[in-house]
Amino acid sequence: KAGVTQTPRYLIKTRGQQVTLSCSPISGHRSVSWYQQTPGQGLQFLFEYFSETQRNKGNFPGRFSGRQFSNSRSEMNVSTLELGDSALYLCASSRIAGPEETQYFGPGTRLLVL
Amino acid sequence: AQSVTQLDSQVPVFEEAPVELRCNYSSSVSVYLFWYVQYPNQGLQLLLKYLSGSTLVESINGFEAEFNKSQTSFHLRKPSVHISDTAEYFCAVSSMDSNYQLIWGAGTKLIIKP
Repeated sequence: KAGVTQTPRYLIKTRGQQVTLSCSPISGHRSVSWYQQTPGQGLQFLFEYFSETQRNKGNFPGRFSGRQFSNSRSEMNVSTLELGDSALYLCASSRIAGPEETQYFGPGTRLLVL
Repeated sequence: AQSVTQLDSQVPVFEEAPVELRCNYSSSVSVYLFWYVQYPNQGLQLLLKYLSGSTLVESINGFEAEFNKSQTSFHLRKPSVHISDTAEYFCAVSSMDSNYQLIWGAGTKLIIKP
């Protein structure tokens, strides 16, 4: 089975621009979560989608948004980029949404904001 | 609010020596506990998890962790480390307190000295 794929792997943007990141979950997985990883803040939860519905949202400003499509693929968008948005963005999928479910992570998209 | 504390940001250890990576959490209700590992330039992958039952859980590559409810701890141990264990290890907790979202520790870098 193919793992979680994320595109693009690397991205350079300038302040004020917007960016869209894509995540394809493992086949058959219906839950997708997004995380931001930085050296200073560690791993922080952004949001979780299940069956095209946002189930949970972390403590991030409204500039961060996401969606999930009927094939479970997910995108996240960051508008009006700030320098502090530079991070590794990780996507994780699981079969269903549940506290005991193992999350399978993609390799991440490394975003650099200049 | 629920929190996870990994007291050691780095743990250097000689190859073939034992190691313990510490994880403490705060929660007043039943929890699900996870250890994930992140190898250099890769996404995270599950190492082991505690859902219920036996308090000692093991992974396929020789790691084990013990759930201690009274100490609110879930320390990770390995009796003999190998150079290939060089990675960053993250402890995570899920419970009703966090609406079943994973709350992550800051991570511990395991550095294997030859």
